[in-house]
Amino acid sequence: QVHLAESGGRVVQPGESLRLSCAASGFTFRGHGMHWVRQAPGKGLEWVSFIHYEGRYDYYTDSVKGRFTISRDNSKDMVFLELNSLRPEDTGVYYCAKDRIFLAAYPTYVDVWGRGTLVTVSS
Amino acid sequence: EIVLTQTPLSLSVTPGQPASISCKSTQSLLHSDGETFLYWYLHKAGQPPQLLIYDASSRFSGVSERFSGSGSGTDFTLKISRVETEDIGIYYCMQTMQVPYTFGQGTKLAIK
Repeated sequence: QVHLAESGGRVVQPGESLRLSCAASGFTFRGHGMHWVRQAPGKGLEWVSFIHYEGRYDYYTDSVKGRFTISRDNSKDMVFLELNSLRPEDTGVYYCAKDRIFLAAYPTYVDVWGRGTLVTVSS
Repeated sequence: EIVLTQTPLSLSVTPGQPASISCKSTQSLLHSDGETFLYWYLHKAGQPPQLLIYDASSRFSGVSERFSGSGSGTDFTLKISRVETEDIGIYYCMQTMQVPYTFGQGTKLAIK
């Protein structure tokens, strides 16, 4: 059974940094791209970032480019999101999510989500 | 950026009655390889979102046959043939045709 478990969310002040982790199990992690999606309080879903299954390339939404960095460790079945220069508008639940197709050359779509980890940016 | 516009933003349905949600895209979601990069998710309170429909019209594994997706190009529809109480939540369409990938605003389904 596919399982994704996020961790690392906490309360931080504007300008600070944070590293989110996502532990994967139940599937061949090294063969699937991975996404991060977030949801601000009372708002809808917002796609944040994607990383290729071998880490060859990554994508970001414009509002986080240059501040967030996605990475992965296929030896540990984990994906990470480094959040720097945090702003109040980065507050929300961050979901780790699995890309559907095995060994896909490009991103396809999200089929499984974790339960999320809450990041709060406030002074 | 591709913008997805969902209508309605909320609907209240009597159990057993049908429901329909529209998702309109500012650009075609039909890829040159013939696939359509439009997906539907249901986000229930306190749970992670769940995939309902992929490639605009294919039902994901384990999803009830009451759910169906249709459409092409820029206009898409999610239909629930007979709403049940377990269907309450927020429905989102999403595109992965072009980065940044985007979601519709969400449609909240309530039971009358």
